[in-house]
Amino acid sequence: DQQVKQNSPSLSVQEGRISILNCDYTNSMFDYFLWYKKYPAEGPTFLISISSIKDKNEDGRFTVFLNKSAKHLSLHIVPSQPGDSAVYFCAAVNQAGTALIFGKGTTLSVSS
Amino acid sequence: DARVTQTPRHKVTEMGQEVTMRCQPILGHNTVFWYRQTMMQGLELLAYFRNRAPLDDSGMPKDRFSAEMPDATLATLKIQPSEPRDSAVYFCASANVIGTTGELFFGEGSRLTVL
Repeated sequence: DQQVKQNSPSLSVQEGRISILNCDYTNSMFDYFLWYKKYPAEGPTFLISISSIKDKNEDGRFTVFLNKSAKHLSLHIVPSQPGDSAVYFCAAVNQAGTALIFGKGTTLSVSS
Repeated sequence: DARVTQTPRHKVTEMGQEVTMRCQPILGHNTVFWYRQTMMQGLELLAYFRNRAPLDDSGMPKDRFSAEMPDATLATLKIQPSEPRDSAVYFCASANVIGTTGELFFGEGSRLTVL
C-alpha cells in the first residue's frame, strides 16, 4: 500500500508556462517532505523540501506547497524550461526519521 | 568530489544466476540505503543500514535477496537465484543521520536485466 502517491504518471507543459506536480500521502504523522529530480541514466537528486510546520517553501523557480489537512503537496515550477524535463519523485521522511518513502514519480516533459 | 559509486552500471544475466551489486557510500556517511526503481512501484526501499548494522530490510524478498555491509566503504546487494521480475534499476544512497532533513545522496544505479 503506497503511503506516498503520485497519481499522474506524466505531465506535458510548454516552455515558459507553469508546471504543477502533485503528491498525496496517507500518514498524518509524516512531518517532512522532499522532491527529487531524476534524469535518465542518473540517480535522483534533491530538489526542494518542506517541513510540516510550513505551508510553502520557495527556491528560485521552484515552490513547494503543503496542505496538511488534505495530506497533499505540490511542486510548482515557474517558468518551466526544457531542462526541467525529468522524472520528479515526491518523498516523505518515515515516522522513525530513518528513511525516505518515495512515490512512483511523475515524468515532466517541457517542450520549447 | 564526493559521490556514491555503484558497480556494475549494467548487468544482463540469465534466470537462476547469482547477481551481486556493490556500492561505495560517501566517506563519512553512516547510513546506506538500497532502493529499486520499477515502472510499477517507482522507488521502493529495500533495506538500509546505520553504522553498518541493518536497520530495516522489510522491503526485500527474504528468500532470494540479501544485503550486507562488510565494512564502512562497501555495501552489497545480492540476488540468488535471480528471476525476470527482478529486472529493475537498483540504487544505493547514503546520508548522515536522516533526522528531519531527509536528504539522501544517490548513486547512478545498477540496471539489472534478468532474461
